Parts: sequence; C-alpha cells; structure tokens
Amino acid sequence: DTEVTQTPKHLVMGMTNKKSLKCEQHMGHRAMYWYKQKAKKPPELMFVYSYEKLSINESVPSRFSPECPNSSLLNLHLHALQPEDSALYLCASSQERPGADTQYFGPGTRLTVL
Amino acid sequence: AQSVTQPDIHITVSEGASLELRCNYSYGATPYLFWYVQSPGQGLQLLLKYFSGDTLVQGIKGFEAEFKRSQSSFNLRKPSVHWSDAAEYFCAVVPNTGTASKLTFGTGTRLQVTL
Repeated sequence: DTEVTQTPKHLVMGMTNKKSLKCEQHMGHRAMYWYKQKAKKPPELMFVYSYEKLSINESVPSRFSPECPNSSLLNLHLHALQPEDSALYLCASSQERPGADTQYFGPGTRLTVL
Repeated sequence: AQSVTQPDIHITVSEGASLELRCNYSYGATPYLFWYVQSPGQGLQLLLKYFSGDTLVQGIKGFEAEFKRSQSSFNLRKPSVHWSDAAEYFCAVVPNTGTASKLTFGTGTRLQVTL
C-alpha cells in the first residue's frame, strides 16, 4: 500500500482565518514533506520532517507552520495567508533512506485565499 | 549548476501512437531518476524510477524509461498511448550524494491525446 491521504480536498479561507491541512500515511515511512504547487508549475519543496523532526525549511514565511505530532501524521497550520498563497498543497512521504529514496504523494489540498 | 530539463512544454499525440518524453539532467554524479504523472487537480503518481542496474526500466501503465549515461538522459516512452494518458509528466532527480533526499523536478511536459 503506497497511500498518502490529505484532508480537506478543498479549502477556502479569508486572510484573517486560521486553518490546518492534514496529511497521513501508514506505510511506516519516517520522512514526510510539504510541497506547494502553483498552476502549470512543478511542485516546490516547503518543509521536510525526518523522524518527526524538522530537517528542512525552504525559507517559508512564518504564516505557514508545520507540525509532525507522530510518525504517521503531518499538519500544516495556516494563519494570515495572502491571496498569492492560493495553490495546490501536496504532502509526500518516504522511507528516509539517503539518496535512494522514493517519495509517494497524496492527492493534495486545493487552497484558495480570498 | 545542477539541473533537470524537460525540453518539451507541450506534446500532442494521437491515441494509439507511440510517445517519447525527454528528460536531461546536469549533475556531477548520476542522480537517482524518477518519472511522475499528474492528472489535472490531482497529486503526483510515481510511474517508474532508476537507481542502478538495468538501464531500461519498466513502470506502471505500460510506461518504460531508458537511462543513457552518455547523453545524461532518462526519456520516458510508451508504445501506444491511450486517451487516459493525457496529463502532466514530471521528470525528477535526487542527487547521489548520500545526503537526505531532496527531490528536484523538471518543469513538466503536458501531454494531450487526440482521438
């Protein structure tokens, strides 16, 4: 089973709202990732968690706050977003083997910021 | 500079025709290589990957890819395209440096299939 689930599928929020995106995997993977994808562009890495610790933050604005409560779950907390943050947010997971590692992606959350 | 390039932004093929999507990379050592497919509004699905060994790799949905070290290429092929193959295709690489995997994507190729 190579399934990564993400909720919600769609989210519309105002610039003053606080919301969260959720990602879950039950493959025993120890690395989890958040990507942002704008229309007609490839995904851009935002954060990487390795063994439940934040290992990479690609200079993401603080209005995005990741959290990894356990090895199966990854959250992305959103606060005071801007309209330009509207995008598809993808979660991925992998076994965390240096180099020869394969990332499996979830279906994404389509975020619209009004 | 390290990079992965997909020269074709958009390709149109007829259903039943063969397909080849190009991917070139520029890295000091051969990276680990992947092809992903993305249907509109969906997540990315892994088609196939190359780490080492046989340079012709078989994937899901009838796709295959051939690694050519001399050309720094990892082109994706399918002998007979189906209308359901219409999607965005991304080539991606992870440097073979022994550090934690950081996936770098090409810009993507949009495949349109005509009936």
